[in-house]
Amino acid sequence: SQKIEQNSEALNIQEGKTATLTCNYTNYSPAYLQWYRQDPGRGPVFLLLIRENEKEKRKERLKVTFDTTLKQSLFHITASQPADSATYLCALGTPGGGADGLTFGKGTHLIIQP
Amino acid sequence: DAGVIQSPRHEVTEMGQEVTLRCKPISGHNSLFWYRQTMMRGLELLIYFNNNVPIDDSGMPEDRFSAKMPNASFSTLKIQPSEPRDSAVYFCASSLRQENSYEQYFGPGTRLTVT
Repeated sequence: SQKIEQNSEALNIQEGKTATLTCNYTNYSPAYLQWYRQDPGRGPVFLLLIRENEKEKRKERLKVTFDTTLKQSLFHITASQPADSATYLCALGTPGGGADGLTFGKGTHLIIQP
Repeated sequence: DAGVIQSPRHEVTEMGQEVTLRCKPISGHNSLFWYRQTMMRGLELLIYFNNNVPIDDSGMPEDRFSAKMPNASFSTLKIQPSEPRDSAVYFCASSLRQENSYEQYFGPGTRLTVT
């Protein structure tokens, strides 16, 4: 069955450093992968999408890589700030690439310490 | 843009009662998704609609769960009868189904507690 793994333990990073979050998956061939941010008591907010034929995507201080051979995506936040503290979820799109329901990982709780 | 609107924000009910959760998607969006989030299982897709038509309901846990989308601006998720294990946060999300645009916009969620 499909399985998505994200670091279940909280990730503590010092302000100003680069935070790197990992998303691994098995038994799946997604056409694209998305990253969302979720703050306590709120719904997830879309951050970035990367397709299977893309190696890297950037948006301001965010960078996402996608390695379909390793079945892994890395999510980087450079020059991290306390306001970046949140839970980050990776989500896999369907193999057909349609705008269908997503399969989410359980998320990694990121804490940026001043 | 008001975003995705869900009501109620909190619902506390007793086991056996009927629960109805409501969602208004973003105007112009043609796909709507219902998810459930718990600590144990994370965020799970229950059902989704394209152009008001249910496409995949394989995530609906049991026949006690049903969802409708009578028009493009309204959807309901009903649980009848409710059970304590249904306690979770239920999210509605919408998206504009078009090429190269797959991001989903989530509502604030409904926190359901079944006692």
